[in-house]
Parts: sequence; structure tokens; C-alpha cells
Amino acid sequence: DVKVTQSSRYLVKRTGEKVFLECVQDMDHENMFWYRQDPGLGLRLIYFSYDVKMKEKGDIPEGYSVSREKKERFSLILESASTNQTSMYLCASSTAGGVNEQFFGPGTRLTVL
Amino acid sequence: SQKIEQNSEALNIQEGKTATLTCNYTNYSPAYLQWYRQDPGRGPVFLLLIRENEKEKRKERLKVTFDTTLKQSLFHITASQPADSATYLCARDSNYQLIWGAGTKLIIKP
Repeated sequence: DVKVTQSSRYLVKRTGEKVFLECVQDMDHENMFWYRQDPGLGLRLIYFSYDVKMKEKGDIPEGYSVSREKKERFSLILESASTNQTSMYLCASSTAGGVNEQFFGPGTRLTVL
Repeated sequence: SQKIEQNSEALNIQEGKTATLTCNYTNYSPAYLQWYRQDPGRGPVFLLLIRENEKEKRKERLKVTFDTTLKQSLFHITASQPADSATYLCARDSNYQLIWGAGTKLIIKP
């Protein structure tokens, strides 16, 4: 059974802290994505990666960075967490070539106090 | 910019009836539209993909249509069941990424 896992389901951090969200997929997918989901706004793309060490900005990259050192792992970093980064964070992966179906992790609900 | 619009109001349907959800897009027609299901506290799960040159796609009790004239996709669930209750998301392709709608919450009443 294919799987995308995220390091935490729930996370509470304080303003100014550095936050790491980890995502691992076991499907040997080339593409990996980080989204945030807020009520009424739908999924918004933060960053995506189409290969190891490659990254592309999505629609809302400000305040975030990413790392992809291995094919199966894609990390999202909040350099200095702020309250407006309180959200549900979803990781996804897909095969290369065109816009293929995306497989999602269970999400991390991050609260920044 | 490309946009996807879905009805933000919840859709209440009686069990056994057909549920129909709407997805409208702006600007040029996408090459693909995808539909996903999302349960509370979980990530979306892929259901169906329909291409621009396909009018209709079916999978068991699910049917998706793609009307480039109306700039719209309809998602149908026939013989609906309470287990079909969830939020359904529509997404279009744009520059090798997906642009997502906010989703429509579907409630199937027994």
C-alpha cells in the first residue's frame, strides 16, 4: 500500500521558533509538494520539488524554505514561526511527467502561539 | 490568473439520491481536471481525472463531466450513501501544478 507519512499530526510552537515538518514517501515518486490548507481558501502551494536538491516556489513561499536531500524525503522549514502560519500543512507526491494524481499525507496541524 | 470555484455551501442529499457537485474554472480550458475526496483531519484522496477531450468519465458510482463551453465540470455520485459524506475538491492543471478549489462539503442523510 502506497504511503506518504508526515512527522507529526499536531504541533504547537511559539512565535519565532524554527519549525521543521518532515514528509516521507515510499513510492519512488519524483515530484513532492508542500501545501497549506485554510478554511475557505483551498490548498495553496508553498513549494514543490521535481528532483533531489531541486525546488521551485509555489504561490506562497514567503516565510518558508524546503530541503530535499533524498528522493523520498521533503522537508518544510519555517525559519521564524509567526501566528499567521497557523494552518494545516499537507505533503503530497506524484510521478513525473504532466500533472498526475497526487498522493497526500495525513497532514500536520500546526498552531503557532 | 487561473481560478477554480466550487460551491462553498454544504450540499445535503437524501440517501439513495444522486449528488451533483459543480466546479467552475476561469480563463483557458485546463488539459485536466481532477477530483479528490477529503475526510475531516485527513489528506485528500484522488478519485478521478478527466481530460479536456473527454466529455465524461465513470468509476463505479462516480461520474465526472467536462464542458469546455460552460467552463465547468460536474461530479455525480449515484445511489448516494452516508459513507459518501465528505468534502470534495476539484483541481485544474496550470504550469505543471494543480490549482485547487476550496471544496464542497457533501452530507448524505440516512
